[in-house]
Amino acid sequence: GNSVTQMEGPVTLSEEAFLTINCTYTATGYPSLFWYVQYPGEGLQLLLKATKADDKGSNKGFEATYRKETTSFHLEKGSVQVSDSAVYFCALSERNTGFQKLVFGTGTRLLVSP
Amino acid sequence: EPEVTQTPSHQVTQMGQEVILRCVPISNHLYFYWYRQILGQKVEFLVSFYNNEISEKSEIFDDQFSVERPDGSNFTLKIRSTKLEDSAMYFCASSDYTEAFFGQGTRLTVV
Repeated sequence: GNSVTQMEGPVTLSEEAFLTINCTYTATGYPSLFWYVQYPGEGLQLLLKATKADDKGSNKGFEATYRKETTSFHLEKGSVQVSDSAVYFCALSERNTGFQKLVFGTGTRLLVSP
Repeated sequence: EPEVTQTPSHQVTQMGQEVILRCVPISNHLYFYWYRQILGQKVEFLVSFYNNEISEKSEIFDDQFSVERPDGSNFTLKIRSTKLEDSAMYFCASSDYTEAFFGQGTRLTVV
């Protein structure tokens, strides 16, 4: 079946450091890929998405590129802030439209210190 | 901005009791979902609902669970006889044709 694998956390960085959180996937067909963020005490928020190969999703300084050849969707940010501290979930959906059943990775906790 | 709202935010219940978790999806969305996240683990799909019926359910969603859209706006998850292992954060989500939006979650604690 479909699955998502994320790097183990926590990832601990100083403010303004460069962030990479690795995500790889296994899927049949052509899934859509997502990054969701969960801030402390809150629900899941969509951070960015990409629906086809070579698409780049971006939002709030975060970027991820859909790489079909390496089945990856790594999350990057050039300069993290303390407010980026959260848990980040990589996810895929088997369908580009309609019913959006999501398969999530285990989540990666990011801790940013001043 | 439209949002998915869930109530209550936290529910404590005794083992064997029935609980109902409530959700108000975004009004023009067609698909509705429940997911759960056991503490420290991944978010897992439970069930999806479309056109007033279940469209898909996971192996977790056994006969103890049921979903309902009783009045065209609310979407509920009922657990008939709770077990300790049902303790988790339960997320409701709704989607249009391309993107799922999640609620804040209900933390269910079974004691």
